[in-house]
Amino acid sequence: RKEVEQDPGPFNVPEGATVAFNCTYSNSASQSFFWYRQDCRKEPKLLMSVYSSGNEDGRFTAQLNRASQYISLLIRDSKLSDSATYLCVVNSRMDSSYKLIFGSGTRLLVRP
Amino acid sequence: DTGVSQDPRHKITKRGQNVTFRCDPISEHNRLYWYRQTLGQGPEFLTYFQNEAQLEKSRLLSDRFSAERPKGSFSTLEIQRTEQGDSAMYLCASSSVTDTQYFGPGTRLTVL
Repeated sequence: RKEVEQDPGPFNVPEGATVAFNCTYSNSASQSFFWYRQDCRKEPKLLMSVYSSGNEDGRFTAQLNRASQYISLLIRDSKLSDSATYLCVVNSRMDSSYKLIFGSGTRLLVRP
Repeated sequence: DTGVSQDPRHKITKRGQNVTFRCDPISEHNRLYWYRQTLGQGPEFLTYFQNEAQLEKSRLLSDRFSAERPKGSFSTLEIQRTEQGDSAMYLCASSSVTDTQYFGPGTRLTVL
C-alpha cells in the first residue's frame, strides 16, 4: 500500500464547476500536510498548506481529518487555468526526517 | 530570479555513461533535497542535506548514485554507469526552518 493515495482521475469539469479531491495517508505520525500543483513537464509548486482547523485561500479550501487520516481539496468556480495535476503531500517528521511523501497526483481538466 | 535553479535542464546520455546534475538552492535556505519523478508518479525522495551534512538517504539511492553539498550551498547529484531505468526527472528542492519546500525546474534525464 502506498503511503499517500489519491484518485488519479482525470476529473473533467466545465468552467465554473466545483470539484473536490481526496487523499488518504497511512502514517498516523504525519505532522505536516500540503497540496502542490504540477503543470505538465514542470516542477511541483506549493498550492497551500493544510491545517487541522481547515483553511481557505480564495477559491481553494483544504481540510484535514487526522482521525480518518484524510485530506481534501475543494476548488470552487473552476478556471481553465486550474487544469493541472494536484499532488497530496505529507511529512512525517519521524526521526527528524524532513522528506516529503507525495501521492501520485490527481489530474484535473477544466473545459470551456 | 531568486528561486531554486538546476542545471542542465535536459540531459541525454548513453547507457553506461556517468552524469552529474547541479542544484543551486534559494540562498538563505540551509536544507536541500533531491527527488526523482517518473511519468505518472509523484516525486520520490532520494536524499537530504542540512548545510553540508547529508542526513538522510533513501534506499532508492543505489551505490551508483552520490550526492554532495561541499560548502553548504549548491549540491551535485552524480549517477555512475547510467541505466535505462534511471530515466526520470530529477528535482531539487530547498527549505529554511519551516517545512515548506520549494522546487527547482528539474533536470530531465534520458538514458538511451
